[in-house]
Amino acid sequence: DTAVSQTPKYLVTQMGNDKSIKCEQNLGHDTMYWYKQDSKKFLKIMFSYNNKELIINETVPNRFSPKSPDKAHLNLHINSLELGDSAVYFCASQGMYGYTFGSGTRLTVV
Amino acid sequence: DQQVKQNSPSLSVQEGRISILNCDYTNSMFDYFLWYKKYPAEGPTFLISISSIKDKNEDGRFTVFLNKSAKHLSLHIVPSQPGDSAVYFCAASARGVDTPLVFGKGTRLSVIA
Repeated sequence: DTAVSQTPKYLVTQMGNDKSIKCEQNLGHDTMYWYKQDSKKFLKIMFSYNNKELIINETVPNRFSPKSPDKAHLNLHINSLELGDSAVYFCASQGMYGYTFGSGTRLTVV
Repeated sequence: DQQVKQNSPSLSVQEGRISILNCDYTNSMFDYFLWYKKYPAEGPTFLISISSIKDKNEDGRFTVFLNKSAKHLSLHIVPSQPGDSAVYFCAASARGVDTPLVFGKGTRLSVIA
């Protein structure tokens, strides 16, 4: 069983579309994150949730909205996609013994 | 199956001594490795990287060693300082190919004054 699963793995979409990336963890962790990997493989935190509550909301465009229906899920919805949104997005969860990252979602906006 | 493993969840070191954080990987396609440092309530920040054409890369107090035959890398911090207390992630990827990073679970380093 995958501990932190993100879907889809690949997403190609046109500019202006709205899309969602889903993340689910089956580890019972309270804290979940969304990160964006840039072209230099640097990671930038976008959001952090603890038990469905927003904890960290870094400076990202309002077009990005996280949604946590329960503590096992943290979805990322993106409105009006732009070319610059193309990146790899990682979900991660944090527990007592460390962090677990998802395998990433490669978003390509054309 | 974990492709990048950090087998020590935590490590305590006295100030001034050397900290050695270890990382093992299984995928022989990986040829670029990075270390990130994470403070509480912040995202991981890039610390140092190494490509597979090297076996050592040094940046100030931080040195990363790569042993390709053993599929092992380590981060040395010397001398350790209290401000180094953080979680350290090892990550790997196939450089030159636009692929996502694969992360270890992290090692929490505590530097004791």
